[in-house]
Amino acid sequence: DVQMVESGGGLVQTGGSLRLSCAASGFTFTGYWMTWVRQPPGKGLEWVASTDEVGSETHHVDSVRGRFTISRDNTKNSLFLQMTSLRVEDTAIYYCARGKAVIDCWGQGTPVTVSS
Amino acid sequence: QSALTQEASVSGTVGQKVTLSCTGDRNNIGRYGVGWYQQTSHGAPKTVMFGNSLPPGIPERFSASKSGTTSSLTISGLQPEDEADYYCSTWDYSLNVQVFGGGTKLTVL
Repeated sequence: DVQMVESGGGLVQTGGSLRLSCAASGFTFTGYWMTWVRQPPGKGLEWVASTDEVGSETHHVDSVRGRFTISRDNTKNSLFLQMTSLRVEDTAIYYCARGKAVIDCWGQGTPVTVSS
Repeated sequence: QSALTQEASVSGTVGQKVTLSCTGDRNNIGRYGVGWYQQTSHGAPKTVMFGNSLPPGIPERFSASKSGTTSSLTISGLQPEDEADYYCSTWDYSLNVQVFGGGTKLTVL
């Protein structure tokens, strides 16, 4: 079965850093764009970043560009999101998702809380 | 303000057919396939349609269509378990970003 399991979330103070991981299994990881989507408390889904199949093309939402970096390790079927200079408004559940334009599979999410 | 526009709320009775809409422009919906995502009680989102395809395990009462810059999700024969928030999303060619709608809260009366 297709499975994506996120980890690395937690409580951090403003200005701190976290590295989220997503372990993928049950499909050919190198055949897909991969994406991070977040959901702040009580709000809708917000795209964060996407990377192509080999990690050479990446895109980030303006609000995180320069602070967050999406990457992948195809030898370990893993997706990452390095988050630095965290702000209170980055508080959200972060989901790993498979695809670009059309997302066909989601992880269960990992919560990130940034406190002041 | 979201790049894709969805109704804030829609309601229907059990067995009724309901249609949710998602409006964008020629750079996003007009150019790419659209995904529709269901989220119940703030669990993880679940894909109920990608393009015109139904993912494995999703009931056949779900269908989607696209006309120009508007995508529509139709649920034929509404069931109580369909009550959820529904989001649409696709890629935007000019902005090079993934865009989401603000979500529609579907209530089953």
